[in-house]
Amino acid sequence: IAGITQAPTSQILAAGRRMTLRCTQDMRHNAMYWYRQDLGLGLRLIHYSNTAGTTGKGEVPDGYSVSRANTDDFPLTLASAVPSQTSVYFCASKPGQENGELFFGEGSRLTVL
Amino acid sequence: GESVGLHLPTLSVQEGDNSIINCAYSNSASDYFIWYKQESGKGPQFIIDIRSNMDKRQGQRVTVLLNKTVKHLSLQIAATQPGDSAVYFCAEPTGGGNKLTFGTGTQLKVEL
Repeated sequence: IAGITQAPTSQILAAGRRMTLRCTQDMRHNAMYWYRQDLGLGLRLIHYSNTAGTTGKGEVPDGYSVSRANTDDFPLTLASAVPSQTSVYFCASKPGQENGELFFGEGSRLTVL
Repeated sequence: GESVGLHLPTLSVQEGDNSIINCAYSNSASDYFIWYKQESGKGPQFIIDIRSNMDKRQGQRVTVLLNKTVKHLSLQIAATQPGDSAVYFCAEPTGGGNKLTFGTGTQLKVEL
């Protein structure tokens, strides 16, 4: 069982370029999340989706967009990357909205120059 | 010029000793808490959780204690091993429970 797969693992990007981070899960989880992780700031929620077809804003949504066309995929797009978006991005999922374990991918390290 | 990075709180323990990692939470209405372990270069992994109707919950070598009076959570690791070296995060649900908010983390270093 793969769980959550993120791609790319690592990417260096020029400022102003568009970038999509991919996330796929094979657990048929309804809820999916994107977090960014920066040293000293922990994990901060960017966007989330409670179920296919719906999305919501998290704590730091500006400069990012998401879509949830189906249960398995939850891509994160940076329309015009800026250096402050240099971070490690984690996709996560859980079965539903009830309390419980959040399953994480291995992360995508993005550097914006 | 040189930039100064932010540093995580660090706990250093000797192999075989017990470790205690602490976490303060802000929302007195929180009814569920969860601990994650993150090894270098990997995603966070679930360790243990606890509901607010409990004061203590035990897992394999780990115990979580909840003190609702002072809004404090702790993770105890018995007989700490080198493989326990990681960053540990506590988290609590926000926004109606469908999102988790994480603490900033504590770096555990196990010395041989």
